[in-house]
Amino acid sequence: EVQLVESGGGLVKPGGSLRLSCAASGFTFSSDSMIWVRQAPGKGLEWVSSIGPSGTYIYYADSVQDRFTISRDNAKNSLYLQMDSLRAEDTAVYYCARRWDYFDYWGQGTLVTVSS
Amino acid sequence: QSALTQPRSVSGSPGQSVTISCTGTSSDVGAYNYVSWYQQHPGKVPKLMIYDVSERPSGVPDRFSGSKSGDTASLTISGLQAEDEADYYCCSYTGRYTSIFGGGTKLTVL
Repeated sequence: EVQLVESGGGLVKPGGSLRLSCAASGFTFSSDSMIWVRQAPGKGLEWVSSIGPSGTYIYYADSVQDRFTISRDNAKNSLYLQMDSLRAEDTAVYYCARRWDYFDYWGQGTLVTVSS
Repeated sequence: QSALTQPRSVSGSPGQSVTISCTGTSSDVGAYNYVSWYQQHPGKVPKLMIYDVSERPSGVPDRFSGSKSGDTASLTISGLQAEDEADYYCCSYTGRYTSIFGGGTKLTVL
C-alpha cells in the first residue's frame, strides 16, 4: 500500500524557516517524481514544486522561487521542502504527492502557520 | 501564471448530470493531454478522479468522465449521487515538469 506521511509543520514567525518532510512507503520511491502542493485555509490547491526521481530536475512556482528548496533522499525514501523567508501568505496545508503528470497518491498534509 | 478558470459552483439533483469546465490557454490545457481532476471533500485529502484528460483510475466510478476541446477541459458526472458533493479541481501540465490548478468548483447535490 502506498503511503505518504508529511511532518514538520507548525507555527513560525514571518521571516522564519521550516523544513517539511514526507516519508514514502509502498512503492519504489527512487523511480518516481514527487511534488509539493499547498492549500491556504479556505482556498484552492496550488502547485509548489517538483523534483525528478534522482533530483536532476527541480522546478518551483514563482510564488516560492528563491525561498523554498525541494530535495529528496532516496536511501531514506524521503522528500523534503526547506522553506525560508516565510511570509503570512505561505500559511497553508502542505501536501506531498507522487508523480509529475498527475498526482495519484497524496499525504494527509501538514499545516504551516506563519504569524507573529 | 494565473490559475485555470473553473466556475465557482455548480449544482444538480440526484440522478442528473453536471459538467464542470476548466479553461486554460494554448500553453497549458491546449498544449498537453495532461489534464487531471481531483475531488476534495471538506477536511479531506484531494483524490484523483481523472488523468490524461479522460482516463479513470481504478476504483473511480464510470459516472465520472473527462474530455477536452481546445483550451477547455471538462469533467462530467452523470447519475449524480449525494456523495459526489465536494470541491473539484482541474490541473494541467504547463511544461518543464510544472503544473497549474484551477480555482476549484463547489458541487452541490440538491
